[in-house]
Amino acid sequence: GAVVSQHPSRVICKSGTSVKIECRSLDFQATTMFWYRQFPKQSLMLMATSNEGSKATYEQGVEKDKFLINHASLTLSTLTVTSAHPEDSSFYICSASLGTGVGANVLTFGAGSRLTVL
Amino acid sequence: GNSVTQMEGPVTLSEEAFLTINCTYTATGYPSLFWYVQYPGEGLQLLLKATKADDKGSNKGFEATYRKETTSFHLEKGSVQVSDSAVYFCARPLFWAGSYQLTFGKGTKLSVIP
Repeated sequence: GAVVSQHPSRVICKSGTSVKIECRSLDFQATTMFWYRQFPKQSLMLMATSNEGSKATYEQGVEKDKFLINHASLTLSTLTVTSAHPEDSSFYICSASLGTGVGANVLTFGAGSRLTVL
Repeated sequence: GNSVTQMEGPVTLSEEAFLTINCTYTATGYPSLFWYVQYPGEGLQLLLKATKADDKGSNKGFEATYRKETTSFHLEKGSVQVSDSAVYFCARPLFWAGSYQLTFGKGTKLSVIP
C-alpha cells in the first residue's frame, strides 16, 4: 500500500536554530502534499498545501517565512522551521494525496515529527 | 460551511463496553466521510470510510454508517478493548485551491480501562 515516510520522527533543537523535516512518498508520486500541525489535545491544523514545482499555499495565520516548504520532486516535500522558538514545539504531520477524485480520495499520512525547541 | 463536528471527549469506558462517538457534517453535497485513529505516539491511520449515502464502513470491529437524513457518521464498536485507547478523528474531504484536503473534527480521546 501507499506509504508516506517522515523524518526525523523526533528532533530537539536550541532556540534560534532551523530544523528541516522531510516527507517522502515511498511508492507513489504525490503532486500535492499537505503539512499539518497538531497542538496538544487538539485536532490537526492545516498549515500549507505543497504543490510540486510551485510555491506552497499557506493557510491564514501561518508565517510563510518561518515555515518554509519546498516540494522539489514528486516524492519529496520538506518543511523547514526557521529560527525556531519554544512556541514552535509541536507535532508536525505531512500527508499526500493518492488521487484527484473527490469520491474516494484518501490521504496517506506520515507518522509525524515531534519538534522540541529548548 | 463545510465542516465536521464530533463529540468532545475524553471518553472513558470499561473493557467490553459499547462505544459510540458522534460525528455530524455540513456539506452542500454528499462527500466521502472518514474516521481516522491516532494511537499514542503515532501518526494518523485511516480506520474506515464511506463514499456514499447508506454505505457502512467497517474495520477492526468498528463500524460507521453514512446517514444523509441526519448528516451523521457515528463511530460504533460493540465491545471495546484496552488496545482501542486512542484519539479518533472524523474527517471529510474539502476541495480547496485546486486540490483535495481533509478537514477534521477536534478529535475524541478514548480511554479503555481493564
